[in-house]
Amino acid sequence: EAGVTQFPSHSVIEKGQTVTLRCDPISGHDNLYWYRRVMGKEIKFLLHFVKESKQDESGMPNNRFLAERTGGTYSTLKVQPAELEDSGVYFCASSRDRGETQYFGPGTRLLVL
Amino acid sequence: QKEVEQDPGPLSVPEGAIVSLNCTYSNSAFQYFMWYRQYSRKGPELLMYTYSSGNKEDGRFTAQVDKSSKYISLFIRDSQPSDSATYLCAMLTQGGSEKLVFGKGTKLTVNP
Repeated sequence: EAGVTQFPSHSVIEKGQTVTLRCDPISGHDNLYWYRRVMGKEIKFLLHFVKESKQDESGMPNNRFLAERTGGTYSTLKVQPAELEDSGVYFCASSRDRGETQYFGPGTRLLVL
Repeated sequence: QKEVEQDPGPLSVPEGAIVSLNCTYSNSAFQYFMWYRQYSRKGPELLMYTYSSGNKEDGRFTAQVDKSSKYISLFIRDSQPSDSATYLCAMLTQGGSEKLVFGKGTKLTVNP
């Protein structure tokens, strides 16, 4: 069984540009999560999808971040326009049901210059 | 005050040592306590999962939860160089949000 995959693995962009991160969860996992780790800080929750619906988006930092999960399969996280403080590692995780183990992807390393 | 506090280390031990990793927390609503292991350039991988208070053992790993003190521990016996990684504690409330609340992680190096 393939694990959670994320694309790209790295992205370097300039301030003001747009970046779109993609996450493919484990097949059959209805729950999809986005987390972010800023350098020197802990991993922090961004949002939670159940199928295509946003269950909890309390961790989204501001309206420059837009997450979608059309069709309830893969998800994208768009940052527009990117700011310097958006640099960090963005992790995606998925789980089959509520309360079950969240399996993490390898992360996308984003650097905004 | 952060919800979860974890000493980031780094921690360096010789092979075969017993390792003790700890986290404290402030939110009494946390009921699920997890330890994740993260190797360099990889995502976190669930290592141990404990509900409420008590101990749980899995091979060389033991997780302890003391809810009265709001303190959790992970012990690694007979540590191996392959245990070198960052260990993250994470917590979850019951029946509420599914968002994991993480500590900063402790970087462990086991020297052969």
